[in-house]
Amino acid sequence: TQLLEQSPQFLSIQEGENLTVYCNSSSVFSSLQWYRQEPGEGPVLLVTVVTGGEVKKLKRLTFQFGDARKDSSLHITAAQTGDTGLYLCAGALGYGGSQGNLIFGKGTKLSVKP
Amino acid sequence: KAGVTQTPRYLIKTRGQQVTLSCSPISGHRSVSWYQQTPGQGLQFLFEYFSETQRNKGNFPGRFSGRQFSNSRSEMNVSTLELGDSALYLCASSLRGSGGIGEQFFGPGTRLTVL
Repeated sequence: TQLLEQSPQFLSIQEGENLTVYCNSSSVFSSLQWYRQEPGEGPVLLVTVVTGGEVKKLKRLTFQFGDARKDSSLHITAAQTGDTGLYLCAGALGYGGSQGNLIFGKGTKLSVKP
Repeated sequence: KAGVTQTPRYLIKTRGQQVTLSCSPISGHRSVSWYQQTPGQGLQFLFEYFSETQRNKGNFPGRFSGRQFSNSRSEMNVSTLELGDSALYLCASSLRGSGGIGEQFFGPGTRLTVL
């Protein structure tokens, strides 16, 4: 059973378009992280959200944590070819920071075409 | 400062063999976590080490084991390899100085292929 469902699995868009990626669960998370992974590399942390309803902006990327802390979304405005990659969400089930409580979704593979 | 390094980057083994993968964390980081990444299952947590002690373990069989040395470098070992063990094995290090989820820094991974 996958605790964290990401959608869509694949997304192919043109440069300049907007997109939203979703991360959903029936479990409540103490915090949620978003990573981007490029081919041949490990995931790189983009953001951590910890408060229900929290919205964080990172240039053209907007992250939102659901009020009930069960879901999250990542919105990219005016996508660029450099945004291409695998976007992963990861939820922390417990407190105290043990990485063993970090659950990853399977990811959304984004391709931005010029 | 140097990032997380993993060796080897690529490995091909046959069923029944065993393999040892190595991870050197960022200098000063005391926590090392290992993950298995496959297209079907995504990223799955294997285990975490902190100051040479295994602090947490995921749902993997006993064939998967690990250890951490006094310099925080870590190794993971998989014995009696199966075809399904083919995956990208990622190592991540973090400071773990205080509570809460700290930032993990991932290495580039070791691509293991079992034939």
